[in-house]
Amino acid sequence: DAGVIQSPRHEVTEMGQEVTLRCKPISGHNSLFWYRQTMMRGLELLIYFNNNVPIDDSGMPEDRFSAKMPNASFSTLKIQPSEPRDSAVYFCASGGYGWGNEQFFGPGTRLTVL
Amino acid sequence: SQQGEEDPQALSIQEGENATMNCSYKTSINNLQWYRQNSGRGLVHLILIRSNEREKHSGRLRVTLDTSKKSSSLLITASRAADTASYFCATSAGNTPLVFGKGTRLSVIA
Repeated sequence: DAGVIQSPRHEVTEMGQEVTLRCKPISGHNSLFWYRQTMMRGLELLIYFNNNVPIDDSGMPEDRFSAKMPNASFSTLKIQPSEPRDSAVYFCASGGYGWGNEQFFGPGTRLTVL
Repeated sequence: SQQGEEDPQALSIQEGENATMNCSYKTSINNLQWYRQNSGRGLVHLILIRSNEREKHSGRLRVTLDTSKKSSSLLITASRAADTASYFCATSAGNTPLVFGKGTRLSVIA
């Protein structure tokens, strides 16, 4: 298995632009998580899905952030409009059935908003 | 919050020495997990210890769990330069996802 795949790996954009991050979870995993990591805040859980259904998006910082999972093999995290303070590394992770299982992380997308 | 807190925040040791990192948490848990993150990479699962277990080994890793003190420790024996990374504990409780701590940055000097 190729593991969790994220694209792009790096994204540089200007303030106000729309940004879309993509994730392909490991086949057969039921849960999918989006995280944001910064030096100041550490690793923050933004939203998680179970069987393609969003369960809790209370970690999404603002309405500018949205996430979808149209099928079991694809998820997107969108920021519109982007702001400099959104600059961070965004990780997608997937896991098997049950919340307490091991999570498998993708390589991350490093987002820079100028 | 059940969030784990790692201690120390940063640790620097010589190659061959043992490295010990600690994690404290606040609420009852089902299990506790340790992850490693190399610079510029995603987190990688190292080991899981359940609430009814006290100690677990995996290669050069030894994890202990003391539920009465709500704490865990990760011991890396005979450290290598390749062990240089950040190490995170994550706790699982009930029907909620893992909660990660802020991590310990380990530097192993050759």
